[in-house]
Amino acid sequence: ETGVTQSPTHLIKTRGQQVTLRCSSQSGHNTVSWYQQALGQGPQFIFQYYREEENGRGNFPPRFSGLQFPNYSSELNVNALELDDSALYLCASSPDQARTQYFGPGTRLTVL
Amino acid sequence: RKEVEQDPGPFNVPEGATVAFNCTYSNSASQSFFWYRQDCRKEPKLLMSVYSSGNEDGRFTAQLNRASQYISLLIRDSKLSDSATYLCVVNRGTGGGADGLTFGKGTHLIIQP
Repeated sequence: ETGVTQSPTHLIKTRGQQVTLRCSSQSGHNTVSWYQQALGQGPQFIFQYYREEENGRGNFPPRFSGLQFPNYSSELNVNALELDDSALYLCASSPDQARTQYFGPGTRLTVL
Repeated sequence: RKEVEQDPGPFNVPEGATVAFNCTYSNSASQSFFWYRQDCRKEPKLLMSVYSSGNEDGRFTAQLNRASQYISLLIRDSKLSDSATYLCVVNRGTGGGADGLTFGKGTHLIIQP
């Protein structure tokens, strides 16, 4: 196991609602990245947080936002949910922005 | 053209056989390369990093060809437990790890008894 934990495991929301997903990084890892994995696709990079600041972002709209806390845990917030937001959301941690990243078990979000 | 391209398969291979996967990447500035393994409805797990000199970990061998922008993974003496989706992963490297990992869609491998 990587030591990266995520909550909740599963979540069902309706279109237009807002959702918050949580991630605790592996001990000693100060960098957290978030990915979205749609069915049948590879994970897609959403953004990365390093020392509580967003320092990289993929091609996702501003309604995807995040936070990192002093203990390096992180949240992903998605506003105005759309049906296409249904996916597995993965959090990955690494030390000091290292390119080798270790993934948590993910949160499966279903938007109805 | 997709940044990382893989043959999605499925590859149906008898137990004990050798199987090879390839992937190509489009950004010549890419700096880091990995293979991850993903079991059904689980998270990706790092299988190995890939270096230009080639590297081996037990039954697994990975190779990088920068000139052709091509990455390969070879699995020898395949086991039933090797059945999974294998994800080819590239990091563009323009901002440390801050530009994230770019994943292929994955190659689905089924080892048959």
